Amino acid sequence: EVHLVESGGGLVQPGGSLRLSCATSGFTFDNYAMTWVRQAPGKGLEWVSAITGSATNTYYADSVRGRFTISRDNSKNTLYLQMSSLRAEDTAIYYCAKNYGSGRSFPDFWGQGTLVTVSS
Amino acid sequence: DIQMTQSPSSLSASVGDRVTITCRASQGISSLLAWFQHKPGKAPTPLIYAASSLQNGVPSKFSGSGSGTDFTLTISSLQPEDFATYYCQQYDTYPLTFGPGTKVDIK
Repeated sequence: EVHLVESGGGLVQPGGSLRLSCATSGFTFDNYAMTWVRQAPGKGLEWVSAITGSATNTYYADSVRGRFTISRDNSKNTLYLQMSSLRAEDTAIYYCAKNYGSGRSFPDFWGQGTLVTVSS
Repeated sequence: DIQMTQSPSSLSASVGDRVTITCRASQGISSLLAWFQHKPGKAPTPLIYAASSLQNGVPSKFSGSGSGTDFTLTISSLQPEDFATYYCQQYDTYPLTFGPGTKVDIK
């Protein structure tokens, strides 16, 4: 059974940094691309970033490019999102998701999310 | 970037109703579209991928159609567990993008 568990969320001041982790199990991690999606309070889903199975390619939403870095450790079956220069508008629940395939595809399994609050 | 729009933004319906939600892409995306159901406090769940393929375990009351720029999600007979927000997502071109969502609530 596929499991995705996010951690690392919390309260951070504007301009600060935070690293989210997503521990996975139940599938061959390096065979699949992975995705981060977020939902700000009262807003809809926003695709944030994706990384291919081999970590060769990474992709970002315009709103986070240059501030966020997605990475993965295939030896630990873990996905990461390094967030820096955080802004109030980055406040959201961040979901980690497994993609349907190794490349560009839709997220077919999701974690329960971790809350990031950017506030002074 | 490809912009996704959905209509309506919200709707009220009764148990047993047939419900249709529309999603439109700002440029052609072939059939590279997925639909998700999202309930408060829960993780989103995929319903449909490739515009019309039913995700494993999803009941057949859900169906999708369309290609190019115009897509629809239909729920054939609304049940209490179907009251939720529904999102479309294109996965044709990075950055991938979601529609703004359609909230389905009880009339």
